[in-house]
Amino acid sequence: DAGVTQSPTHLIKTRGQHVTLRCSPISGHKSVSWYQQVLGQGPQFIFQYYEKEERGRGNFPDRFSARQFPNYSSELNVNALLLGDSALYLCASSWDGQLLLSSGANVLTFGAGSRLTVL
Amino acid sequence: AQSVTQPDIHITVSEGASLELRCNYSYGATPYLFWYVQSPGQGLQLLLKYFSGDTLVQGIKGFEAEFKRSQSSFNLRKPSVHWSDAAEYFCAVGHANTGNQFYFGTGTSLTVIP
Repeated sequence: DAGVTQSPTHLIKTRGQHVTLRCSPISGHKSVSWYQQVLGQGPQFIFQYYEKEERGRGNFPDRFSARQFPNYSSELNVNALLLGDSALYLCASSWDGQLLLSSGANVLTFGAGSRLTVL
Repeated sequence: AQSVTQPDIHITVSEGASLELRCNYSYGATPYLFWYVQSPGQGLQLLLKYFSGDTLVQGIKGFEAEFKRSQSSFNLRKPSVHWSDAAEYFCAVGHANTGNQFYFGTGTSLTVIP
C-alpha cells in the first residue's frame, strides 16, 4: 500500500518565482495537511484540507495557498518566493479531518517531503 | 498559547544504554501527544501517541512514553538504544478541536556511539 507521496522531491527556485508542490494521500484518506520545516526546526502547520475545503490555516502570509482536488490529492502554492521560504515542505494525510477521541486509527501519516531551496 | 519544549537539542548515548528524551508542553486543554522520528532526508514516522487512558504508552521499535499531567510532560524512553535509533526526534501536541494542526517541538538529535 503506497504511503503519502510528494513531488518534486527537490527543487531550486530564485527569489520572486512561484512554486507548486504536490501531494497524494494514502488511499482512503480524505484529509491533507501541509507543514513547513525550516532547517533545525520542528514542522510548522500551514494548511489543512478535508473534502476539498480548508479546515485550518497556520500563521503564514497570503503568498501561501493550497487546494484539494476531488481525488483528495493536494497542491501547495507559494508566490513571490523569499529566501526564508527555503525549507522542507511536508504533506500529511489522515482518514478524517478530526482526531478521533481515543482512536488509534486517525493519525497523521507524513510523506518524505519536498525540499525547496530559494536562491 | 500552545507550545512544545524539547530542552535537549542534542543527546549522545552509547549503544545499549538507556535513553530518555524530554518533552514539555503548554496547552489550554488536555492534549493529544505524539512522538515522531525523522531520519536524514526522510519524513516523519510516528513512534507512539497518547489520546487518553493509560498514561504509559508503548510504541514501535521498543519506545515508550509516559504522560504526566502534573508536570505537563511526555518523555520518551527506550531501555536499550540501537545504532539505528540515531535520528531526530520530535514531540508534538494536538487536540480534537484543532484538527490536524499539531504543534511540534524543535527536536532532539540523537547520536549513538558504538
